Amino acid sequence: GAVVSQHPSRVICKSGTSVKIECRSLDFQATTMFWYRQFPKQSLMLMATSNEGSKATYEQGVEKDKFLINHASLTLSTLTVTSAHPEDSSFYICSARGGGIYYGYTFGSGTRLTVV
Amino acid sequence: GEDVEQSLFLSVREGDSSVINCTYTDSSSTYLYWYKQEPGAGLQLLTYIFSNMDMKQDQRLTVLLNKKDKHLSLRIADTQTGDSAIYFCAESVTGGGNKLTFGTGTQLKVEL
Repeated sequence: GAVVSQHPSRVICKSGTSVKIECRSLDFQATTMFWYRQFPKQSLMLMATSNEGSKATYEQGVEKDKFLINHASLTLSTLTVTSAHPEDSSFYICSARGGGIYYGYTFGSGTRLTVV
Repeated sequence: GEDVEQSLFLSVREGDSSVINCTYTDSSSTYLYWYKQEPGAGLQLLTYIFSNMDMKQDQRLTVLLNKKDKHLSLRIADTQTGDSAIYFCAESVTGGGNKLTFGTGTQLKVEL
């Protein structure tokens, strides 16, 4: 079946630094990737949608300069949290969608970001 | 607009059936999904239903869709302790840019 690998699973960084989270589709080509943020005991909030080779589409209220999304290939998308602050601490989850039999949404295992 | 609601908490005894409910507002939903999330993990797709279907059964899982009332339910038969998790319903809509809109999530607790 479709597998999405997300790394790192957990990261602690200092305030002011940048953190990159990777999301890879291992056995299919992901034409679209989605990035979500999840606060404790809450639902998933869509941050942005990215299609391979084009700029990401950000949801209202999400700062594109702070959350940089790159979808340079059909198997890799990255989310970079720039100049991280404690309020950016959260659980970030990616999801990938391909074509054909991989038309559904496959989720990564998530990244727990803690900014200290 | 899209708005997906679920009850926050459900507690059942092991061996009983669990029914998790979901209501949505967008009538142009194409697919509706049920996902399971265990602590600190990503989302696992359990099942999905196309909007022109009323029911879908997959082993212990039964999905019922009432499109008129915009109500979706997930029934888990013979609930086990390993079923304890948060369950999210989600919808994708026509012209919604392939986005999924998630429900608020239901915490299922299975007691011995």
